[in-house]
Amino acid sequence: GQQVMQIPQYQHVQEGEDFTTYCNSSTTLSNIQWYKQRPGGHPVFLIQLVKSGEVKKQKRLTFQFGEAKKNSSLHITATQTTDVGTYFCVKGSTLGRLYFGRGTQLTVWP
Amino acid sequence: EADIYQTPRYLVIGTGKKITLECSQTMGHDKMYWYQQDPGMELHLIHYSYGVNSTEKGDLSSESTVSRIRTEHFPLTLESARPSHTSQYLCASSAGQKLFFGSGTQLSVL
Repeated sequence: GQQVMQIPQYQHVQEGEDFTTYCNSSTTLSNIQWYKQRPGGHPVFLIQLVKSGEVKKQKRLTFQFGEAKKNSSLHITATQTTDVGTYFCVKGSTLGRLYFGRGTQLTVWP
Repeated sequence: EADIYQTPRYLVIGTGKKITLECSQTMGHDKMYWYQQDPGMELHLIHYSYGVNSTEKGDLSSESTVSRIRTEHFPLTLESARPSHTSQYLCASSAGQKLFFGSGTQLSVL
């Protein structure tokens, strides 16, 4: 079954608008990772969050881990056409296996 | 950037053929993975390995097999390809829980 729920599945924005994708789990997460996959490409690691309430920023990207460690979000400020792609949240397990969410496909109109 | 290589990049074959998808990494990572991904969809884990002579089936039922005789090499074999096997196959390795992906093999079975 699906380990993490990710919404929305698709998001279309005008360049310059903000974008947020959400990841939710029914169980407490030891950590959460985020990956980006460009069209035709392979997933590339963006960040890992470990601590409750953790917030990390990478330029226009802000990653947040919920206080209860059951949800996470990725927010992009002022999207650009280079942000196009699918963003996946990934749940880790104590056995070292990683479970991908369904991903959010972001389209940015110029 | 990680050094993980997949060959071939594209493969078109006829039904019933035996094929092997190659995956090699030069980082000395113990953990390696095979994912299957259809266009615009999530990644499904089909096989993984925690080290030499260790292989496990993933979450998605697959008719493929894998071997791990050497740390750097994790080939995936389909004994008799069918059109339902048409998909993209992504190989990954990890240090800790951060995944490094190869460029993938796009397989088309006619």
